[in-house]
Amino acid sequence: RKEVEQDPGPFNVPEGATVAFNCTYSNSASQSFFWYRQDCRKEPKLLMSVYSSGNEDGRFTAQLNRASQYISLLIRDSKLSDSATYLCVVNIRFSGGYNKLIFGAGTRLAVHP
Amino acid sequence: ETGVTQTPRHLVMGMTNKKSLKCEQHLGHNAMYWYKQSAKKPLELMFVYSLEERVENNSVPSRFSPECPNSSHLFLHLHTLQPEDSALYLCASSQSDRGPNSPLHFGNGTRLTVT
Repeated sequence: RKEVEQDPGPFNVPEGATVAFNCTYSNSASQSFFWYRQDCRKEPKLLMSVYSSGNEDGRFTAQLNRASQYISLLIRDSKLSDSATYLCVVNIRFSGGYNKLIFGAGTRLAVHP
Repeated sequence: ETGVTQTPRHLVMGMTNKKSLKCEQHLGHNAMYWYKQSAKKPLELMFVYSLEERVENNSVPSRFSPECPNSSHLFLHLHTLQPEDSALYLCASSQSDRGPNSPLHFGNGTRLTVT
């Protein structure tokens, strides 16, 4: 089983649509969670952290369910500029004080006019 | 503008060549990472340096050799690579003492092609 699993997509949606991505992780020792965004042939960039109580950043809402080991990302009112690959990331922190981030393969989103 | 700079951006090398990838971070972070991203596969963690000490080596073949001379610089020395090593190599940094919520900051990556 993959450590972090995501639906690869692509999700093709019109501008203004609401789209949701899901992610599951296998390691119950995972301590923190993130969504990163990666544009074609570019490096990943942090989109938002994911907190247990759920959190929102503008049009983006992230949810975490530790019991089910499940993370979600909701994008409202999609823009053309939201087209990218969204990477689900879990972090395991080691006693040496460093963080090990495990990445999913990503979900591709294409927003069309 | 990225606080993590990687050079070169693109590299084509033969299987008998020796080359090095360079990464420099200007963020004052104390942990640095090498990741490999192959087509349609998740990022794979290769090496982690925390406080200039290698703390993780994820069963990476010995033809990849990392070096971290100080907390701002990280190298990946390459020799006798195989065509399947062609990929995007990403360097990242973080501040390890900010706890588990400390995100990674990535460089632009080096796109490596082995012929």
